[in-house]
Order: sequence, then C-alpha cells, then structure tokens
Amino acid sequence: GQQLNQSPQSMFIQEGEDVSMNCTSSSIFNTWLWYKQDPGEGPVLLIALYKAGELTSNGRLTAQFGITRKDSFLNISASIPSDVGIYFCAGQRYGGSQGNLIFGKGTKLSVKP
Amino acid sequence: DAGITQSPRHKVTETGTPVTLRCHQTENHRYMYWYRQDPGHGLRLIHYSYGVKDTDKGEVSDGYSVSRSKTEDFLLTLESATSSQTSVYFCAIRLDRGTGELFFGEGSRLTVL
Repeated sequence: GQQLNQSPQSMFIQEGEDVSMNCTSSSIFNTWLWYKQDPGEGPVLLIALYKAGELTSNGRLTAQFGITRKDSFLNISASIPSDVGIYFCAGQRYGGSQGNLIFGKGTKLSVKP
Repeated sequence: DAGITQSPRHKVTETGTPVTLRCHQTENHRYMYWYRQDPGHGLRLIHYSYGVKDTDKGEVSDGYSVSRSKTEDFLLTLESATSSQTSVYFCAIRLDRGTGELFFGEGSRLTVL
C-alpha cells in the first residue's frame, strides 16, 4: 500500500534544543498534516498544510509543505519536556478519497538521559 | 474536543469471540473512520463511512465489518477475533466543512488471547 517515509524513527532531545523531522513520499500529496500523540491518547492535530511551499507556524512548531508536493517537514524550536511524545505526519494523496489519510510510522521524541 | 467517545476503552477477549467497538459523536459529522495502530505500522485505515448506511473499505478491512445506522454511531465488529487483531483502535471524524483534517477519539485497546 501507499507509504509515507518518516524520519527519524526516534530521537532524544535536551531541553532548549531545536528538533527537525520530515516525511517523504513517491506520490504527490495535496494536504500534509502533523499530529502529536501522548501515551494512552489519540493523535492531536498540530498543523495542517494545503499548498506547495506553504510554511505554517503554531507556537514553537513550524511545518512546511514541500514544493515538489512529495514531502513535508516539522521543526520544534527550543524544546521543552512536554514536547516528548510521538509525532506523525499524514497526507491526503492527490486523487485519493476525500479524507482518507495515509500516515507515517511516527517519530518518537524522548528526553536525553 | 471533537465530541468523540469510544467504548469500551479496554477489552480483553478470547480468540474466536465476536467483539464490537463503538464510536459515538455528538456533532453530526458526516464522515467517520476506524483506524488501527500497531507498533511499526503507524495508523492504518480499516473502514470509513460517509453517511448513514454508507461505508467503504480501507487498507486493512479483512476480518472487520462496520455499521452506521445513525449519524452519531459508527460500530466496528470483529466477527471472530484473532490474535492478529490485538491492537489499539481509533475512531476519527472529519469536519463536513473541512479540508481533510481528521480528529481522533481516545482509542480502544483490544487484546485477543
């Protein structure tokens, strides 16, 4: 089936550090979404992107819709402990059924020991 | 809060038994989805509904059926549960006026022994 390649799979953060993660696909997407999931809870929408090249911020989070429409990245600036969790990218493929999202496998953020 | 309630939140059952998970929404959204989440696979679409009695299959629909007799309820049934169906199941809705974003419930953890 359709796949999104999300990287890195996991990373350790120290408070104050900036964090970057990305998603790539071989197919064109017309919507990119970024979600965060805390343990025992459902994914929560962080940022939605609708146009190639679009750059959108939500507080310390910034995400961009790649100009090729095949990738997206998420940056977290000045990380804090509550940023720990799993981040998922999701995309709606161009020509795909409305609302049927494809999800990456997630990037797990943990605190550096 | 998208007004989504999933029940039960946790269930342990034995192989071969039928199981029904319920998703209830309070805001009359037309589109509802069932996803399963497994380590290493991310979120995968099982079935979705685009209205009362209107449903369609997703990526991993084998072994699952759904029903939507009322706008507010979307039921996921495992006719004869198998150990491979041990997973966390998430219901999601899409806003009728939205552009593809999904909003998730808190999940139902199913263990099939």
